[in-house]
Amino acid sequence: DTGVSQNPRHKITKRGQNVTFRCDPISEHNRLYWYRQTLGQGPEFLTYFQNEAQLEKSRLLSDRFSAERPKGSFSTLEIQRTEQGDSAMYLCASSIGNQPQHFGDGTRLSIL
Amino acid sequence: AQSVTQLDSQVPVFEEAPVELRCNYSSSVSVYLFWYVQYPNQGLQLLLKYLSGSTLVESINGFEAEFNKSQTSFHLRKPSVHISDTAEYFCAVMAQGAQKLVFGQGTRLTINP
Repeated sequence: DTGVSQNPRHKITKRGQNVTFRCDPISEHNRLYWYRQTLGQGPEFLTYFQNEAQLEKSRLLSDRFSAERPKGSFSTLEIQRTEQGDSAMYLCASSIGNQPQHFGDGTRLSIL
Repeated sequence: AQSVTQLDSQVPVFEEAPVELRCNYSSSVSVYLFWYVQYPNQGLQLLLKYLSGSTLVESINGFEAEFNKSQTSFHLRKPSVHISDTAEYFCAVMAQGAQKLVFGQGTRLTINP
C-alpha cells in the first residue's frame, strides 16, 4: 500500500493563472474524491469519481474548476483564472467498496 | 443534508490527563461516523469509524468514541494523552448510500507537558 500521492505539494501562482494538480490513488481503489480545506476549517467536498465517471459535483466546483480521471486511475484538478479565494489545501482521497476514504497529503495552493 | 458541529475549536490538556473532544451531527437519514486526525502539513488519517454494531469503537492508539443516536453525538475520548497526540481532529459523517464526507470545523488538541 503506497498510499494516495498528490503532486505538487505546494503551488504558488499569480492571480489569473491556470493551475493543475495531480492525484494518484491507491492502486486498487475505484473511487476518487477531491476536497478543499481552507485555513482553520474542515475539508469540503468538491467532487468524486467512480472509475472514470464523475458521479457528483459540489456547488463549490465553479465553472473555473474541472476534474478528470480519464482512465480510471490518476485524476487531475484544474483551476482556470485563479482568484485569491482559491488559496487552500486541495486534498485527494480514494476508496474501494465500503472501506473508508484514505487521504493524500494534499496540494497547498497560494495565490499571490 | 448532513452537518457536523465540533463544539470546541481548541482543547488544551496536560500530558497523561484524560480528554474528550465533542462532536454532534444532524441528518435526516442514517449515517456512518468517522474521526480523522491531521498532523501539520499532512493529510487526514482515519482514527476510527462507526458503521454498525457496537456503539463503542476503539482505535489502536487508545482513543475511543461512542455513537449516541438519541443525542446525535459521537464524542472522542482518551483516558491518558501523550505529547504525540497533539494534532487537529475532525469528526465527519457520511449518509448511508452516499459517498461524500461532511466534516466538522475541527478541534485542535494541544498537550502541555
